[in-house]
Amino acid sequence: AQKITQTQPGMFVQEKEAVTLDCTYDTSDPSYGLFWYKQPSSGEMIFLIYQGFYDQQNATEGRYSLNFQKARKSANLVISASQLGDSAMYFCAMRRNSGGSNYKLTFGKGTLLTVNP
Amino acid sequence: AAGVIQSPRHLIKEKRETATLKCYPIPRHDTVYWYQQGPGQDPQFLISFYEKMQSDKGSIPDRFSAQQFSDYHSELNMSSLELGDSALYFCASSLTLGYTFGSGTRLTVV
Repeated sequence: AQKITQTQPGMFVQEKEAVTLDCTYDTSDPSYGLFWYKQPSSGEMIFLIYQGFYDQQNATEGRYSLNFQKARKSANLVISASQLGDSAMYFCAMRRNSGGSNYKLTFGKGTLLTVNP
Repeated sequence: AAGVIQSPRHLIKEKRETATLKCYPIPRHDTVYWYQQGPGQDPQFLISFYEKMQSDKGSIPDRFSAQQFSDYHSELNMSSLELGDSALYFCASSLTLGYTFGSGTRLTVV
C-alpha cells in the first residue's frame, strides 16, 4: 500500500509569518495526485490545495502553495502570512488518478499547527 | 451550493448496540466514500461505492456493512458496537477526481 509520511506532529508559528508543513510519499507512479486538507477542532475536513504528479508547476491557492519536489518525493505545504484561524490539524493525502473508480485517499498522520499571536 | 450531508451529527450508543449512519452526496456525484477517524488518528478508508455498486473495500470490520441506494445516498450499518468504534465517520462524494467531504458523524460508544 502507498504511504504518506508527515514527520512533524506539531508546529508553532507566529502570526503573519510563513510556515512549511512537510509531506513525503513513497510512490513513483506519476498517475497519483496529492491533496492537503485542514481539519479544525470542529472536525470538518476542508480542502486546501491539490498537486497532480504530472503537473509541471507547483500548485498555489491564495496563501497556500506547494513546494513539490519529485526527485525527493515531497510535497510540502507553505502557508504564508499565518493567521490565528490557521490553527488546525493539517493532513496530506494521496490518491491514484487512474485505473477505475477506486480513488480512495490515503492520509498521513497529520501535523497540528498552532499560530501564536 | 449543496454539500455532502451526513446524519446524525452526533450519536451515542451503548456497547453491543447497532448504529446506522447516513450520507447524502452532492447531486449527480456517482461515488461515495466512507472513512473512520479515531481520536487523534488519521482518517482510514472503509468502503466506497460507484454507481450503487461497491467499488473498493478497506479496513472495514465484518460487523459493519454499507450500501448505496437508488437515489445515491449511502448508509453505513454498524452492529455489535465496541468501545473502539468511537470515532468520527466521514462520508465524501465525488463525480470525477474532486472530493467533497461531509461534516462527519461523531459516534461515541459507551
